[in-house]
Amino acid sequence: VQLFESGGGLVQPGGSLRLSCTASGFTFSTYLMTWVRQAPGRGLEWVSAISVGGTSYYADFVRGRFTISRDNTRATLFLQMDNLYAEDTAVYFCARWPPNSFFDFWGQGTQVTVS
Amino acid sequence: EIVLTQSPVTMSLSPGEKATLSCRASQSLSSTYLGWYQQKLGQAPRLLMSDASNRAAGVPARFSGSGSGTDFSLTISSLEPEDFAIYYCQQRGSWSPITFGQGTRLE
Repeated sequence: VQLFESGGGLVQPGGSLRLSCTASGFTFSTYLMTWVRQAPGRGLEWVSAISVGGTSYYADFVRGRFTISRDNTRATLFLQMDNLYAEDTAVYFCARWPPNSFFDFWGQGTQVTVS
Repeated sequence: EIVLTQSPVTMSLSPGEKATLSCRASQSLSSTYLGWYQQKLGQAPRLLMSDASNRAAGVPARFSGSGSGTDFSLTISSLEPEDFAIYYCQQRGSWSPITFGQGTRLE
């Protein structure tokens, strides 16, 4: 199992970024997927998740600004981030979420800096 | 929102000693919905324990988990040098939202 995040970078407040998470080594279409972030020197914070069928779930602090999606044909997870705040600065991890279980495989993360 | 409070924030021990980390939930939680992760500096988190007491694949037997209701714990029976890291508990009982504890740094 491998997960590789990309798309992070430096963006101004109010700007947008689109993160991608490319998966391999498992049947992507049969797993929930999720995004978790970690601000500098801080703990883990759940951001969003998407079901096999495409139902999305969000933390309150990103609802209306971030959109999670998936492309099962390309085994890729996305996070469209709009209207970014300085407080969104963090490393963003994608993770695999098996049914009735926990986040069992994680990518190495991509840095997002809003400044 | 289910708030998870971990204690202590920092724990200072030596290799060979026993560590017991605590995670308290703000409301009762089925043990099925409580997990633990380990994170080393500069690395992604690693799943250690699911359903409060089930070790994930490849996790050494010195790690054990227990608890029910609002009080859960992670025990490392005899610390190895590679165990010094930050540990997080997480609940998946309520998806509004999924929450993590603030972490315990084991040094």
